[in-house]
Amino acid sequence: DAKTTQPNSMESNEEEPVHLPCNHSTISGTDYIHWYRQLPSQGPEYVIHGLTSNVNNRMASLAIAEDRKSSTLILHRATLRDAAVYYCILRQFMNSGGYQKVTFGIGTKLQVIP
Amino acid sequence: KAGVTQTPRYLIKTRGQQVTLSCSPISGHRSVSWYQQTPGQGLQFLFEYFSETQRNKGNFPGRFSGRQFSNSRSEMNVSTLELGDSALYLCASRGGGADTGELFFGEGSRLTVL
Repeated sequence: DAKTTQPNSMESNEEEPVHLPCNHSTISGTDYIHWYRQLPSQGPEYVIHGLTSNVNNRMASLAIAEDRKSSTLILHRATLRDAAVYYCILRQFMNSGGYQKVTFGIGTKLQVIP
Repeated sequence: KAGVTQTPRYLIKTRGQQVTLSCSPISGHRSVSWYQQTPGQGLQFLFEYFSETQRNKGNFPGRFSGRQFSNSRSEMNVSTLELGDSALYLCASRGGGADTGELFFGEGSRLTVL
């Protein structure tokens, strides 16, 4: 199974950009790269996802390497509310029915310093 | 619309007992997946149900089982509980089929095994 590797923790100053890396060297062609974050005492929350091209939404940007073996989640201006554990996961289409397998990493704990 | 609802939120059991957890997905969502979260192992995929059928299964022993009803609500059962089963159990729903978008997570059921 494809796996993801993330740093255990990172720190950022408030209102500065944050780049959260993820390695997925064994990614397959049908794996979508998803990012979720989990605040204390809550379930994970969707952030962004992509397949091959870079993606932007109101929460963040996702930069995907050309060989797709790594990706970076970019928070453009970190706020205290962004302090969470960020998970980079791969979601794989198993067949035409869309049934999916999910692989989670340990996640990166982001600390935002005021 | 209402989010994913998990019950109970907290429960305490003793070794050897069994437990049943419930998950009500977002209205209209047909897929429910279950995850175990522990401090040491992070988030681990248990299984996914779509249209009342188990579509994928993670690497957990047969003591962990589940089912999905015609209204898409899902239950998971753990029999012969062990101390190591203490964890936060999360479920997530999605539209199903070829959908590659976000998973919507509940807040989880925290199980403590004594």
